[in-house]
Amino acid sequence: SAVISQKPSRDICQRGTSLTIQCQVDSQVTMMFWYRQQPGQSLTLIATANQGSEATYESGFVIDKFPISRPNLTFSTLTVSNMSPEDSSIYLCSGGQTDTQYFGPGTRLTVL
Amino acid sequence: ELKVEQNPLFLSMQEGKNYTIYCNYSTTSDRLYWYRQDPGKSLESLFVLLSNGAVKQEGRLMASLDTKARLSTLHITAAVHDLSATYFCAVDPNNAGNMLTFGGGTRLMVKP
Repeated sequence: SAVISQKPSRDICQRGTSLTIQCQVDSQVTMMFWYRQQPGQSLTLIATANQGSEATYESGFVIDKFPISRPNLTFSTLTVSNMSPEDSSIYLCSGGQTDTQYFGPGTRLTVL
Repeated sequence: ELKVEQNPLFLSMQEGKNYTIYCNYSTTSDRLYWYRQDPGKSLESLFVLLSNGAVKQEGRLMASLDTKARLSTLHITAAVHDLSATYFCAVDPNNAGNMLTFGGGTRLMVKP
């Protein structure tokens, strides 16, 4: 199994600012992903974090708003840019091998 | 576009009772995952179902997959209060063990 950690665990930010969330996996994983979970809702995939290349974004999510890096097989960052209150959510990273996906504890973001 | 629908979305049941949560999905896939989420927590992997007819059991929970019907079930036997949580099914549309499309979640409350 893989253990995934995220920093920060929570933050309160002002409108118009940006926040970078870090995701660290304790072992090499083939795939890493970023999800958003709005209050009381299910999870929505934001993007696939590709090692050494640009992330692959899902419909409704763009690189300018959610830039993602993945410099190696165990680390990725997600930036939420120019935040608005609508960005208040839990952001989760996940990683895994072929048959299993593990999730980090999530970053709870509140935008005022 | 892949759609994953769970029902019921909310379930209140008495301890000792049995019940089934259903997960229907709209595209061909042989991989289905069940997760549990406690309030304020991340997702805990419960079951990974990788083929038609797969059945897995852990304690009072049993999950099955019928890929022809595009249906998975999560059966709860003799529910106990500790099972109170939100349960998500998730489908891997690429059968590649990577990005997941989640159902809306079933919030389960087991009353003493």
